[in-house]
This record gives sequence, structure tokens and C-alpha cells, in this order.
Amino acid sequence: AQSVTQPDIHITVSEGASLELRCNYSYGATPYLFWYVQSPGQGLQLLLKYFSGDTLVQGIKGFEAEFKRSQSSFNLRKPSVHWSDAAEYFCAVDLTGGGNKLTFGTGTQLKVEL
Amino acid sequence: ETGVTQSPTHLIKTRGQQVTLRCSSQSGHNTVSWYQQALGQGPQFIFQYYREEENGRGNFPPRFSGLQFPNYSSELNVNALELDDSALYLCASSLVGSQETQYFGPGTRLLVL
Repeated sequence: AQSVTQPDIHITVSEGASLELRCNYSYGATPYLFWYVQSPGQGLQLLLKYFSGDTLVQGIKGFEAEFKRSQSSFNLRKPSVHWSDAAEYFCAVDLTGGGNKLTFGTGTQLKVEL
Repeated sequence: ETGVTQSPTHLIKTRGQQVTLRCSSQSGHNTVSWYQQALGQGPQFIFQYYREEENGRGNFPPRFSGLQFPNYSSELNVNALELDDSALYLCASSLVGSQETQYFGPGTRLLVL
């Protein structure tokens, strides 16, 4: 079955530490890949997306993600986490090519310790 | 600021009732998608509307239906509400075409008792 897996339900990091959130997908072809962030009471905000080309993509708020075809992964990274980064992060894929019929993972809740 | 608005913000219904949720797309966007996000889960795609026609549907029963209006506002209707319909309902708008970013609204939280 086609799916998106985020293996870590909760992650806690100290402010200033580096962060990596994992995302794996199981599709035959390379889908369009996205990372969204959701703060309490807020809608989803797009952090970054990968369609093709350079496998390291830069996003907003200092986030980046690397697409690794051999591992079917699209992990999100940030070199130094800020307390305001505490939120839920969702990886998503789209096979339709339009970027607007998304299949989401179950999310990773990030807690930042001061 | 995404420009996508949803109403109401919260809603309580009882099992068997019907509900209508509303979404106003970002200016210039002609496509709207609806998602259901159960507690502790990622959003699930319900359906999408483009030019007032349904343009793709996820694994949801026919009692979930929608409308898109000429001004690109949209409604999600759910009939015969079940307890499991309790969730955050998100709408998202975009321009049709490849690689267009989808902008999400803040959602409507529905509680079915």
C-alpha cells in the first residue's frame, strides 16, 4: 500500500541543538514531496517542497530537506532549533503532479526545551 | 498570511444531524481541497473542486459532499453525522497546474456527540 511514514511521534530537543525529522514514503515512482508545520489552533504552513532537480531543498524559517531516492526518504533538518519551532510537523506526498491532493504522514510533535 | 478563511471555527452536532462547513479561498485561486484531520492524525484528503466540479476524491463515503461557487468559495456538507466524524476540517486553495503551492485555512473543529 502506498504510504507516508513518520517514525517519530514525539521528539524533544534543546534550543540551539540541531534537528532532523524523518520521513519515508512507499511509492513506485518519485512523488512530489512536502513538509508542513502546524502550530496549535493554526492551519498548515508549507515549509518546503521537492518536485525535481537538486535533492537538497531550502525552505522557510531555516529548514532544509534532502531527498534520497535510494532510501525513499525526505528528512527535514534544521541546524539550530528555536523555541518557536515547537509545533507538529507533517510530511506529505502527491502523486498527481499538481501538488494539491496530498497524502500526509501521521506527524511528529516537536518539543523544544529551553 | 494565507488568505484562506473558514467558518465556523468550532461546531457541536449530534449523531445523525447534517452539517455545512464553509471556506473562502485565497484571491485568484480556482481550486479548493478539503481534508479531515482526526485527533493525533495527519490530514486525510476528502475531495477537490475545480471550476465547480469535483476533481478527485479520497476514501470518503458519499455522505461527504461539496460545492464550489463561482466566486471560488466552497462548502463541505456531511450528512448523517457519525461520532467518528469528529475532527478538524481543513480547506486549502490553490491555482490549478503543476507545482502550485496549496494554502490552508485554520480549520473548523467539529465535535459530534
